[in-house]
Amino acid sequence: KAGVTQTPRYLIKTRGQQVTLSCSPISGHRSVSWYQQTPGQGLQFLFEYFSETQRNKGNFPGRFSGRQFSNSRSEMNVSTLELGDSALYLCASSREGAAEKLFFGSGTQLSVL
Amino acid sequence: ELKVEQNPLFLSMQEGKNYTIYCNYSTTSDRLYWYRQDPGKSLESLFVLLSNGAVKQEGRLMASLDTKARLSTLHITAAVHDLSATYFCAGGGNNDMRFGAGTRLTVKP
Repeated sequence: KAGVTQTPRYLIKTRGQQVTLSCSPISGHRSVSWYQQTPGQGLQFLFEYFSETQRNKGNFPGRFSGRQFSNSRSEMNVSTLELGDSALYLCASSREGAAEKLFFGSGTQLSVL
Repeated sequence: ELKVEQNPLFLSMQEGKNYTIYCNYSTTSDRLYWYRQDPGKSLESLFVLLSNGAVKQEGRLMASLDTKARLSTLHITAAVHDLSATYFCAGGGNNDMRFGAGTRLTVKP
């Protein structure tokens, strides 16, 4: 069974640009969540989607947005990039249920110059 | 908003020794998770603890949950080098998971 797939693996952008990251969950998983990991702030929750609906959003500015498609694949977009957006962006998928654990992808390492 | 605190943040152990990582959380959380992250890698789920008094064990790792004290522990028994990694606890739900800062564990021969 394939794991969570994130593309691209590495990305270099300049300030002011925008970026789109992609996440394909494990087959059958309908929940996809996104996290930002930085050395200073650690792992921070961005948002979560289930059946194409955003169910929850973390404390990030509106420049961070996402969506989920009918096949459960998800994308997140960051507009007007800032230097502080440099981070590892992790996507995780899970089935719905209280006992379900998250399965994480390998992440996209974004560098903003 | 749920806040999760881990301690210690750094832990250097000798092989064969035992130690415990502590995870406190600020508000009621239905469940508590433990994850492992190797350098340059993604997170791997270790345990999901769902109820007060829950205890789960896998190999040299044992996790427990005390919801009244809002405390979870990850106990390491007879550490080996392969356990060197960063361990995270997290609370909340699948759609709003909050992580601790992580404990960087180094096991030395």
